[in-house]
Amino acid sequence: DAKTTQPTSMDCAEGRAANLPCNHSTISGNEYVYWYRQIHSQGPQYIIHGLKNNETNEMASLIITEDRKSSTLILPHATLRDTAVYYCIVRVWGNAGNMLTFGGGTRLMVKP
Amino acid sequence: DGGITQSPKYLFRKEGQNVTLSCEQNLNHDAMYWYRQDPGQGLRLIYYSQIVNDFQKGDIAEGYSVSREKKESFPLTVTSAQKNPTAFYLCASSIAAGTKNTEAFFGQGTRLTVV
Repeated sequence: DAKTTQPTSMDCAEGRAANLPCNHSTISGNEYVYWYRQIHSQGPQYIIHGLKNNETNEMASLIITEDRKSSTLILPHATLRDTAVYYCIVRVWGNAGNMLTFGGGTRLMVKP
Repeated sequence: DGGITQSPKYLFRKEGQNVTLSCEQNLNHDAMYWYRQDPGQGLRLIYYSQIVNDFQKGDIAEGYSVSREKKESFPLTVTSAQKNPTAFYLCASSIAAGTKNTEAFFGQGTRLTVV
């Protein structure tokens, strides 16, 4: 699976949009971009995933650049409960391992 | 409710003892995984299983063993051969490989401390 690069940490004011970037310059055509988050001392929680089109669900939006070498996770109105470590992962859909390789992630701190 | 359950939440063991961590899911998922997380780090894959009675080593399998006798259960044994077992252990499950919806569901973790 392709390697990803994320900033180590970010701050965001409560109520504002949180934009979390991820670089995946070596992504290949059949690799999806997945985002998970982990609140302290809990298991990771799935947020969203996409291939090349932008995606939106009740939690977040995912914007993938046209060349697919980077993406941005957007939390439109961050709350204090969104404070967590956010992991960007790229993986092949349906590969035999079907596993997720986690990097260090971005520690998002939402402040009042 | 459907979900994935790990027990216990906290576990203490003496150095040199084997200990088994439980992971059970009622999501009817074929695939199950074990990850290890150290403070301030990401998750590292220990073992995974795509189907009953089959499992594969991940990136850091040394000192660990697993079994997959039932679809619902994937216990992890931390053996005395694991040199630094103190960590947060996470179990996950997903629909089998080859399907489009490969979202993984995680348990709440077991924090193992060697004393």
